[in-house]
Amino acid sequence: GQQVMQIPQYQHVQEGEDFTTYCNSSTTLSNIQWYKQRPGGHPVFLIQLVKSGEVKKQKRLTFQFGEAKKNSSLHITATQTTDVGTYFCAGRVTGAQKLVFGQGTRLTINP
Amino acid sequence: EPEVTQTPSHQVTQMGQEVILRCVPISNHLYFYWYRQILGQKVEFLVSFYNNEISEKSEIFDDQFSVERPDGSNFTLKIRSTKLEDSAMYFCASSEVDLWFMNTEAFFGQGTRLTVV
Repeated sequence: GQQVMQIPQYQHVQEGEDFTTYCNSSTTLSNIQWYKQRPGGHPVFLIQLVKSGEVKKQKRLTFQFGEAKKNSSLHITATQTTDVGTYFCAGRVTGAQKLVFGQGTRLTINP
Repeated sequence: EPEVTQTPSHQVTQMGQEVILRCVPISNHLYFYWYRQILGQKVEFLVSFYNNEISEKSEIFDDQFSVERPDGSNFTLKIRSTKLEDSAMYFCASSEVDLWFMNTEAFFGQGTRLTVV
């Protein structure tokens, strides 16, 4: 079945350093969504990417969708302590309603 | 801001017992979902529901699971005979339209932590 792999599983950075998490799907996706989950919290939607090669920015966050629509990345510039949490990518294939989540990247930050 | 609400926040049950997890999706949303997250693991899709019927389900969603929209506002997940491995956080989610549409997000509830002992 469809699988979405995400790396790294954990990332610890100093505040102010950059952070990147990568997501790869075993199948071509129709769209990909990114969610953030704070410790003890629930997934909160960040963004959706639909087009091949799409790049979207939200302040210090940059999201990319690969040309083949099988991979994606989230890059955070100059991390802040409020960025702490687990970042999940979630892919969707054409015709399906379910989101297939990656394993998530847990980001911790040294202030 | 509208939100998906779930009750209870924590449910402890004995193995073999039936549990019902309750959700109130956002009022104008038409698509409803259940996901679960075993502690420390990824979020897994269970089922999606639209127009009063299941539109998609995963291999996890076997005969011991059922969903219902009993009264037009609540959306429930029933686990008929719980097993130890059913222990997880169960998230209800809803979306206004099919997630196929651009910029459509799924809004997740706070979750119900189910502990089977």
